[in-house]
Amino acid sequence: DAGITQSPRHKVTETGTPVTLRCHQTENHRYMYWYRQDPGHGLRLIHYSYGVKDTDKGEVSDGYSVSRSKTEDFLLTLESATSSQTSVYFCAIGGVFAYGYTFGSGTRLTVV
Amino acid sequence: DQQVKQNSPSLSVQEGRISILNCDYTNSMFDYFLWYKKYPAEGPTFLISISSIKDKNEDGRFTVFLNKSAKHLSLHIVPSQPGDSAVYFCAASYNFNKFYFGSGTKLNVKP
Repeated sequence: DAGITQSPRHKVTETGTPVTLRCHQTENHRYMYWYRQDPGHGLRLIHYSYGVKDTDKGEVSDGYSVSRSKTEDFLLTLESATSSQTSVYFCAIGGVFAYGYTFGSGTRLTVV
Repeated sequence: DQQVKQNSPSLSVQEGRISILNCDYTNSMFDYFLWYKKYPAEGPTFLISISSIKDKNEDGRFTVFLNKSAKHLSLHIVPSQPGDSAVYFCAASYNFNKFYFGSGTKLNVKP
């Protein structure tokens, strides 16, 4: 996956619990992104980062926070998971303009 | 308020024929467009792109057409192969570090 890995690949958690998803890259890209994929909605941007400690909100940021303390790691935290956050989460890193993003393999999160 | 729309959730095509996937956008500021392909349990992978200064870009069996006046782009796959069966997302950007995606079209190429 071009040096981008997500963990865990699958997770089941209970409503109200905090959850952290990790994205790790070995490409030294400045830009990193978190998307969620839902049927009928495609891919929607949650948060993105344009450098260490520099982050910004995307289209669907409510209920999520992110942190980036190192270039290679971008963490997505669900402060108190809800059933509406059941989704597949993709991390992406910014590539050369002509090629858009490179995506990780995704994390399937189920909130019960 | 989706700025990028793919109005066909699915498309079925016979092997060897042409597949045409469509995408519409609302933001006239978009100046770069991409198509991604996604297989189950994998992340999307880049397929082909086009900048707003062009109206066509070709890469092997894949051609993307851009009609700026209609705010419409399409992906043509000729000839279609069973291995092309996947979900296809179009994406658009006016700032290359932030892309907006459509909801995807699931293509099924029948042998």
